[in-house]
Amino acid sequence: SQQGEEDPQALSIQEGENATMNCSYKTSINNLQWYRQNSGRGLVHLILIRSNEREKHSGRLRVTLDTSKKSSSLLITASRAADTASYFCATTPASGTYKYIFGTGTRLKVLA
Amino acid sequence: AAGVIQSPRHLIKEKRETATLKCYPIPRHDTVYWYQQGPGQDPQFLISFYEKMQSDKGSIPDRFSAQQFSDYHSELNMSSLELGDSALYFCASSLRVGEQFFGPGTRLTVL
Repeated sequence: SQQGEEDPQALSIQEGENATMNCSYKTSINNLQWYRQNSGRGLVHLILIRSNEREKHSGRLRVTLDTSKKSSSLLITASRAADTASYFCATTPASGTYKYIFGTGTRLKVLA
Repeated sequence: AAGVIQSPRHLIKEKRETATLKCYPIPRHDTVYWYQQGPGQDPQFLISFYEKMQSDKGSIPDRFSAQQFSDYHSELNMSSLELGDSALYFCASSLRVGEQFFGPGTRLTVL
């Protein structure tokens, strides 16, 4: 089963609203990253948060990490139609492997 | 700045044919990762190489093989292609323990 599970799987909001996506994982991690993907195209790196960090900001993005609950959230504030995409979390397990384990993704649709 | 290069960007093959996907990492990156993303699915780790040696293995079918060459580029060879192999194949590169940088992907369609 997947390390990362995204919640919700699909989200539809109006432009200007905030969008919150959650990711849960199963094993201890070194870091967690969020990626964006437009309609089956490339993966765009958004933000990385390390296991010893609790919150990180980048522009309109805010990521939190709760290692005790093995979960992370991505908040996009003041959403725009151009934010419409799929968002994935990817974790690097603390087990010594460097592969990324992706969650199932949240499909965000921002309506203009 | 130079990014990860993948070729070809699109590939159409028939069932039972063979395909070779190529990945050129960012200069000075020594680690390459391959991921497969089926339609509507999340990317799944296939295999990785560090300094030309296989470093980790995921859900890669026995019909697939890969290697990393002396110039650090990597090739993913896929034989006896099946319809279910149709997917987007991503390559990523990194410095050993660093952040992975993803290429644009190769879209493989098996007819």
